[in-house]
Amino acid sequence: KQEVTQIPAALSVPEGENLVLNCSFTDSAIYNLQWFRQDPGKGLTSLLLIQSSQREQTSGRLNASLDKSSGRSTLYIAASQPGDSATYLCAVSPPETSGSRLTFGEGTQLTVNP
Amino acid sequence: DTGVSQDPRHKITKRGQNVTFRCDPISEHNRLYWYRQTLGQGPEFLTYFQNEAQLEKSRLLSDRFSAERPKGSFSTLEIQRTEQGDSAMYLCASSPGTARKNTIYFGEGSWLTVV
Repeated sequence: KQEVTQIPAALSVPEGENLVLNCSFTDSAIYNLQWFRQDPGKGLTSLLLIQSSQREQTSGRLNASLDKSSGRSTLYIAASQPGDSATYLCAVSPPETSGSRLTFGEGTQLTVNP
Repeated sequence: DTGVSQDPRHKITKRGQNVTFRCDPISEHNRLYWYRQTLGQGPEFLTYFQNEAQLEKSRLLSDRFSAERPKGSFSTLEIQRTEQGDSAMYLCASSPGTARKNTIYFGEGSWLTVV
Protein backbone atom coordinates (compact mmCIF):
# COMPACT_ATOMS: atom_id res chain seq x y z
CA LYS A 1 0.00 0.00 0.00
CA GLN A 2 1.38 3.39 -1.02
CA GLU A 3 2.12 5.77 1.84
CA VAL A 4 3.08 9.41 1.44
CA THR A 5 4.85 11.38 4.16
CA GLN A 6 5.49 15.10 4.24
CA ILE A 7 8.07 16.80 6.39
CA PRO A 8 7.87 19.16 8.16
CA ALA A 9 4.23 19.17 9.25
CA ALA A 10 4.43 22.91 9.83
CA LEU A 11 6.91 25.61 8.91
CA SER A 12 7.09 29.29 9.77
CA VAL A 13 9.54 31.55 7.94
CA PRO A 14 10.15 35.28 7.51
CA GLU A 15 9.22 36.88 4.21
CA GLY A 16 11.86 36.62 1.50
CA GLU A 17 13.35 33.33 2.66
CA ASN A 18 13.86 30.43 0.28
CA LEU A 19 12.42 27.17 1.57
CA VAL A 20 12.12 23.48 0.77
CA LEU A 21 9.20 21.17 1.48
CA ASN A 22 9.79 17.44 1.45
CA CYS A 23 7.64 14.54 0.31
CA SER A 24 8.49 10.85 0.42
CA PHE A 25 6.57 7.84 -0.85
CA THR A 26 7.03 4.16 -0.14
CA ASP A 27 6.30 2.62 -3.56
CA SER A 28 8.49 4.02 -6.34
CA ALA A 29 6.18 2.64 -9.05
CA ILE A 30 4.23 5.81 -9.71
CA TYR A 31 2.60 7.36 -12.77
CA ASN A 32 3.05 10.96 -11.68
CA LEU A 33 3.44 13.20 -8.67
CA GLN A 34 1.56 16.42 -8.07
CA TRP A 35 2.00 19.28 -5.64
CA PHE A 36 -1.12 21.12 -4.50
CA ARG A 37 -1.85 24.19 -2.45
CA GLN A 38 -4.83 24.39 -0.10
CA ASP A 39 -6.03 27.55 1.63
CA PRO A 40 -8.05 27.13 4.84
CA GLY A 41 -11.52 25.75 4.18
CA LYS A 42 -10.95 25.68 0.43
CA GLY A 43 -10.35 23.14 -2.29
CA LEU A 44 -6.97 22.22 -3.72
CA THR A 45 -5.12 24.08 -6.44
CA SER A 46 -2.64 22.14 -8.56
CA LEU A 47 0.79 23.77 -8.57
CA LEU A 48 3.03 21.37 -10.46
CA LEU A 49 2.70 17.93 -12.03
CA ILE A 50 5.77 15.76 -12.66
CA GLN A 51 5.44 12.68 -14.85
CA SER A 52 7.37 9.64 -13.67
CA SER A 53 9.87 10.06 -16.53
CA GLN A 54 10.63 13.66 -15.57
CA ARG A 55 13.00 14.95 -12.92
CA GLU A 56 11.64 18.43 -12.27
CA GLN A 57 9.08 21.05 -13.16
CA THR A 58 9.18 24.81 -12.66
CA SER A 59 6.48 27.42 -12.45
CA GLY A 60 7.46 30.94 -11.46
CA ARG A 61 9.03 30.87 -8.00
CA LEU A 62 8.21 27.18 -7.57
CA ASN A 63 10.42 24.27 -8.52
CA ALA A 64 9.54 20.64 -7.87
CA SER A 65 11.97 17.77 -8.24
CA LEU A 66 11.34 14.05 -8.37
CA ASP A 67 13.72 11.21 -7.52
CA LYS A 68 11.55 8.20 -8.21
CA SER A 69 14.14 5.60 -7.31
CA SER A 70 14.55 6.97 -3.79
CA GLY A 71 10.85 7.82 -3.43
CA ARG A 72 11.36 11.51 -2.82
CA SER A 73 10.18 14.85 -4.10
CA THR A 74 10.93 18.38 -2.99
CA LEU A 75 9.08 21.61 -3.56
CA TYR A 76 11.36 24.65 -3.56
CA ILE A 77 9.78 28.06 -3.03
CA ALA A 78 12.01 31.03 -3.78
CA ALA A 79 11.68 34.44 -2.16
CA SER A 80 8.65 33.48 -0.07
CA GLN A 81 5.78 35.95 0.36
CA PRO A 82 2.96 36.18 2.94
CA GLY A 83 0.56 35.16 0.16
CA ASP A 84 2.34 31.81 -0.01
CA SER A 85 0.92 30.94 3.41
CA ALA A 86 -1.18 27.80 2.93
CA THR A 87 -1.01 24.03 3.30
CA TYR A 88 1.03 22.29 0.62
CA LEU A 89 0.13 18.72 -0.26
CA CYS A 90 1.93 16.22 -2.45
CA ALA A 91 0.18 13.27 -4.05
CA VAL A 92 1.21 10.30 -6.18
CA SER A 93 -0.78 8.07 -8.51
CA PRO A 94 -0.11 4.43 -9.42
CA PRO A 95 0.71 3.49 -13.02
CA GLU A 96 -2.26 1.18 -13.49
CA THR A 97 -4.70 4.06 -13.15
CA SER A 98 -2.99 6.40 -15.65
CA GLY A 99 -2.91 9.21 -13.17
CA SER A 100 -6.11 8.57 -11.28
CA ARG A 101 -6.49 7.64 -7.64
CA LEU A 102 -4.11 10.03 -5.91
CA THR A 103 -2.61 9.13 -2.56
CA PHE A 104 -1.96 12.27 -0.56
CA GLY A 105 0.40 13.14 2.23
CA GLU A 106 -0.91 15.01 5.26
CA GLY A 107 0.54 18.28 4.07
CA THR A 108 2.94 20.95 5.28
CA GLN A 109 1.32 24.02 6.79
CA LEU A 110 3.41 27.01 5.72
CA THR A 111 3.27 30.43 7.36
CA VAL A 112 5.26 33.28 5.82
CA ASN A 113 5.55 36.19 8.23
CA PRO A 114 5.76 39.78 6.90
CA ASP B 1 -16.28 30.62 -13.92
CA THR B 2 -15.42 27.38 -15.72
CA GLY B 3 -13.92 25.51 -12.77
CA VAL B 4 -15.29 22.51 -10.88
CA SER B 5 -18.50 23.48 -9.10
CA GLN B 6 -19.90 21.78 -5.98
CA ASP B 7 -23.24 22.20 -4.29
CA PRO B 8 -24.11 22.70 -1.48
CA ARG B 9 -20.97 24.16 0.01
CA HIS B 10 -22.12 23.45 3.54
CA LYS B 11 -24.62 20.96 4.91
CA ILE B 12 -25.62 20.28 8.51
CA THR B 13 -27.75 17.21 9.00
CA LYS B 14 -29.01 15.05 11.81
CA ARG B 15 -27.63 11.57 12.25
CA GLY B 16 -29.61 9.07 10.23
CA GLN B 17 -30.67 11.48 7.50
CA ASN B 18 -29.67 11.14 3.85
CA VAL B 19 -27.64 13.81 2.07
CA THR B 20 -26.72 14.34 -1.57
CA PHE B 21 -23.90 16.41 -3.02
CA ARG B 22 -23.65 17.52 -6.62
CA CYS B 23 -20.54 18.13 -8.69
CA ASP B 24 -20.28 19.82 -12.08
CA PRO B 25 -16.84 19.17 -13.59
CA ILE B 26 -14.98 21.27 -16.12
CA SER B 27 -16.97 20.71 -19.30
CA GLU B 28 -14.38 19.01 -21.50
CA HIS B 29 -13.06 16.72 -18.74
CA ASN B 30 -14.08 13.09 -19.02
CA ARG B 31 -12.68 11.97 -15.64
CA LEU B 32 -14.40 12.83 -12.40
CA TYR B 33 -13.27 11.98 -8.86
CA TRP B 34 -14.65 12.15 -5.34
CA TYR B 35 -12.38 12.51 -2.32
CA ARG B 36 -13.04 12.97 1.39
CA GLN B 37 -10.93 15.12 3.69
CA THR B 38 -11.02 15.48 7.46
CA LEU B 39 -9.29 18.23 9.43
CA GLY B 40 -5.52 18.01 9.41
CA GLN B 41 -5.44 15.15 6.93
CA GLY B 42 -4.84 14.88 3.22
CA PRO B 43 -7.76 13.96 0.96
CA GLU B 44 -8.65 10.26 0.66
CA PHE B 45 -9.81 8.76 -2.62
CA LEU B 46 -13.43 7.58 -2.73
CA THR B 47 -14.33 6.86 -6.34
CA TYR B 48 -13.60 7.75 -9.96
CA PHE B 49 -15.60 7.94 -13.20
CA GLN B 50 -14.45 7.83 -16.79
CA ASN B 51 -17.39 9.41 -18.60
CA GLU B 52 -20.45 7.68 -17.11
CA ALA B 53 -18.61 4.52 -16.04
CA GLN B 54 -17.60 4.18 -12.39
CA LEU B 55 -14.21 2.52 -12.77
CA GLU B 56 -12.95 2.36 -9.23
CA LYS B 57 -14.31 2.53 -5.70
CA SER B 58 -12.33 2.73 -2.49
CA ARG B 59 -13.05 0.46 0.45
CA LEU B 60 -13.87 3.71 2.25
CA LEU B 61 -17.02 3.87 0.14
CA SER B 62 -19.30 1.77 2.33
CA ASP B 63 -22.73 0.50 1.30
CA ARG B 64 -24.23 3.73 2.60
CA PHE B 65 -22.39 5.71 -0.06
CA SER B 66 -23.38 5.80 -3.71
CA ALA B 67 -22.08 7.92 -6.55
CA GLU B 68 -23.49 8.36 -10.02
CA ARG B 69 -22.61 10.19 -13.20
CA PRO B 70 -25.59 9.33 -15.36
CA LYS B 71 -24.78 11.21 -18.55
CA GLY B 72 -21.06 11.56 -18.17
CA SER B 73 -21.39 15.18 -17.11
CA PHE B 74 -22.39 16.11 -13.54
CA SER B 75 -22.10 13.64 -10.67
CA THR B 76 -23.91 13.10 -7.38
CA LEU B 77 -22.63 11.56 -4.17
CA GLU B 78 -25.33 10.32 -1.79
CA ILE B 79 -24.77 9.29 1.79
CA GLN B 80 -27.59 7.33 3.38
CA ARG B 81 -28.24 7.04 7.14
CA THR B 82 -25.48 9.51 7.96
CA GLU B 83 -23.23 8.91 10.96
CA GLN B 84 -21.13 11.39 12.92
CA GLY B 85 -18.01 9.83 11.41
CA ASP B 86 -19.19 10.99 7.98
CA SER B 87 -18.49 14.61 8.99
CA ALA B 88 -15.83 15.80 6.55
CA MET B 89 -15.27 17.86 3.45
CA TYR B 90 -16.24 16.04 0.27
CA LEU B 91 -14.14 17.14 -2.65
CA CYS B 92 -14.93 16.64 -6.31
CA ALA B 93 -12.27 16.89 -8.98
CA SER B 94 -12.01 16.44 -12.73
CA SER B 95 -9.26 15.94 -15.29
CA PRO B 96 -8.91 15.67 -19.06
CA GLY B 97 -7.77 12.07 -18.69
CA THR B 98 -5.15 12.12 -21.41
CA ALA B 99 -1.69 10.81 -20.71
CA ARG B 100 0.02 14.14 -21.21
CA LYS B 101 -2.51 16.38 -19.53
CA ASN B 102 -3.79 14.79 -16.40
CA THR B 103 -3.59 17.67 -13.99
CA ILE B 104 -6.47 17.27 -11.60
CA TYR B 105 -8.66 20.28 -10.84
CA PHE B 106 -10.53 20.34 -7.54
CA GLY B 107 -13.72 22.08 -6.56
CA GLU B 108 -14.10 24.11 -3.38
CA GLY B 109 -15.59 21.15 -1.53
CA SER B 110 -18.83 20.42 0.28
CA TRP B 111 -18.61 20.50 4.06
CA LEU B 112 -20.78 17.97 5.87
CA THR B 113 -21.50 18.18 9.58
CA VAL B 114 -23.54 15.36 11.11
CA VAL B 115 -25.02 16.24 14.50
